[in-house]
Amino acid sequence: DTAVSQTPKYLVTQMGNDKSIKCEQNLGHDTMYWYKQDSKKFLKIMFSYNNKELIINETVPNRFSPKSPDKAHLNLHINSLELGDSAVYFCASSGGTVYNSPLHFGNGTRLTVT
Amino acid sequence: AQKVTQAQTEISVVEKEDVTLDCVYETRDTTYYLFWYKQPPSGELVFLIRRNSFDEQNEISGRYSWNFQKSTSSFNFTITASQVVDSAVYFCALSLITGANSKLTFGKGITLSVRP
Repeated sequence: DTAVSQTPKYLVTQMGNDKSIKCEQNLGHDTMYWYKQDSKKFLKIMFSYNNKELIINETVPNRFSPKSPDKAHLNLHINSLELGDSAVYFCASSGGTVYNSPLHFGNGTRLTVT
Repeated sequence: AQKVTQAQTEISVVEKEDVTLDCVYETRDTTYYLFWYKQPPSGELVFLIRRNSFDEQNEISGRYSWNFQKSTSSFNFTITASQVVDSAVYFCALSLITGANSKLTFGKGITLSVRP
């Protein structure tokens, strides 16, 4: 069973479109995250949610809107996509605040904006 | 503010060589966690180790070993007798113990290529 699963794995779309990435974890973790990995492989946190509550919002443009319907799911909706949004987006979860347990990452969603 | 520096960007070795990946971190906090993650060519991020700031014991897991030295703010990772399957990008990361706002700060990663 996949612990943290995200869909889709690849997403190719045009500038200006709106798209969503879904993430689900079956580990029973309380905290979920979105990280962005740019073309230079640099990983940076975007958001974290703890029990459906937004905890970290790391100065991400408000075109990005995370939604957590329950603690097992954290989706990412992106409006008006721009070329610079092209990246790999990783969902992750942890058993509590991150220092308590290591992050378990999904396999990533490669977003390409043309 | 916290920072993780992985000064090496790319390392290439021949199979069976030993290789050390360097990690230097900066934080004013006295309590924190350090991590290493591996990202193979398939793209997933694989957790390797977590070490808290109070535990300076070195750790060995098979061919992998980690050397944590608070005096030099370093948390280096050594692969002994490297194999082609070790080829990946390796990330060092730091997390402060500050409650629900804890987040991982990653270094820029080291691309390791192991040639047969």
